[in-house]
Amino acid sequence: GDSVTQMEGPVTLSEEAFLTINCTYTATGYPSLFWYVQYPGEGLQLLLKATKADDKGSNKGFEATYRKETTSFHLEKGSVQVSDSAVYFCALTSSGSARQLTFGSGTQLTVLP
Amino acid sequence: NAGVTQTPKFRILKIGQSMTLQCTQDMNHNYMYWYRQDPGMGLKLIYYSVGAGITDKGEVPNGYNVSRSTTEDFPLRLELAAPSQTSVYFCASSYGKRSSGANVLTFGAGSRLTVL
Repeated sequence: GDSVTQMEGPVTLSEEAFLTINCTYTATGYPSLFWYVQYPGEGLQLLLKATKADDKGSNKGFEATYRKETTSFHLEKGSVQVSDSAVYFCALTSSGSARQLTFGSGTQLTVLP
Repeated sequence: NAGVTQTPKFRILKIGQSMTLQCTQDMNHNYMYWYRQDPGMGLKLIYYSVGAGITDKGEVPNGYNVSRSTTEDFPLRLELAAPSQTSVYFCASSYGKRSSGANVLTFGAGSRLTVL
């Protein structure tokens, strides 16, 4: 079945540092890929998405590129802020009828001032 | 727009008790989902529904039941609570239409359940 493997956390960075959170996947067909973010005490929110190979999703300074050859969708940001502290989830949805998401285990990011 | 609303936010149950987690959405989404989130484990799908009157099991359905009598509501029922059901539960919804491209879920704020 489908699966998502995420870089284990927690990750602690200083403000303005470069961020990479690795994500690789296993899926049949051509999945759509997502990054969701969960701020403390809240539900998950969509951060960015990509629907086909070589697509780049971007939002709030975060980027991720759909790499079919390496089955990866790594999340990057050039300069993190304290407000980026959250849990980040990589996810995919395959072409099944219900479009349910398969999630990675999540990566806790803490940004220190 | 309220989006996806879950109640209660917190609940403590004793082993063997029953309860219902409520979920309602006001976006006219046809697809709805229940996930549970355990520490370090990501989210696991419990049940989902593709429309009123239609439900199906996800990855971890044992110990739970659902119903979908209206488009807006998708309650999750725990019949005999067990400590293994201690978790944070998230309801989500989406349009789910193939023509809309990638499926984007809108999540509720979560319900934290503890079974003692």
